[in-house]
Amino acid sequence: IVTTQSPATLSVSPGERATLSCRASQSVSSNLAWYQQKPGQAPRLVIFGASTRATGIPARFSGSGSGTEFTLTISSLQSEDFAVYFCQQYNNWPPTFGQGTKLEIK
Amino acid sequence: QVQLQASGPGLVKPSETLSLTCAVSGYSISNGYYWGWIRQPPGKGLEYIGGFYHTGITYYNPSLKSRVTVSVDTSKNQFSLKLNSVTAADTAVYYCARGLGHYYYDTSDYRMGYFDPWGQGTRVTVSS
Repeated sequence: IVTTQSPATLSVSPGERATLSCRASQSVSSNLAWYQQKPGQAPRLVIFGASTRATGIPARFSGSGSGTEFTLTISSLQSEDFAVYFCQQYNNWPPTFGQGTKLEIK
Repeated sequence: QVQLQASGPGLVKPSETLSLTCAVSGYSISNGYYWGWIRQPPGKGLEYIGGFYHTGITYYNPSLKSRVTVSVDTSKNQFSLKLNSVTAADTAVYYCARGLGHYYYDTSDYRMGYFDPWGQGTRVTVSS
């Protein structure tokens, strides 16, 4: 399954809302995760099951969608949220990742 | 709190075998969960390589299966990756991670679904 993320780069001002998209080439039900990766760091799980926040993830992060269309929304961007975000499907073997969306400060 | 740390040679020659180790602390591998390797070529996305369940069953990415071996040393609470016949395309940052189980209908069994946490990656360059 191919997962495609858009846009490749998203420029948003602190305090504003960011909306990141992930599209799967076929239905993955709700078996989708989102990860945050900062420069030089390992990815960190943000969302699993399309909409469940991982432990320690602030409530400003929310995930939605099912089937082939998914969205990660960050309601009010904080400085620490600027990073690259990857989606990953785990409905079909092997698990596959999107190419990432870089969220940068506008 | 479980922590993982990948380590190994930073430079491997083409056609040779890449060997990495992931040391796990804060949790005994033999107690449960899935454990695996994921890589990230420069400027590209992430790719699942292979992993195992704590019982020893291994799960490989079909695209790499012919070249990959993942093994575990429970006495040292660590697991390893061997990738043979490497080329420049294998240049990447290699991560180890704990996998949460998920039932895959296409394989009719449980395997790693999503990954949490990840260890700090180790950069491997394939070059002569």
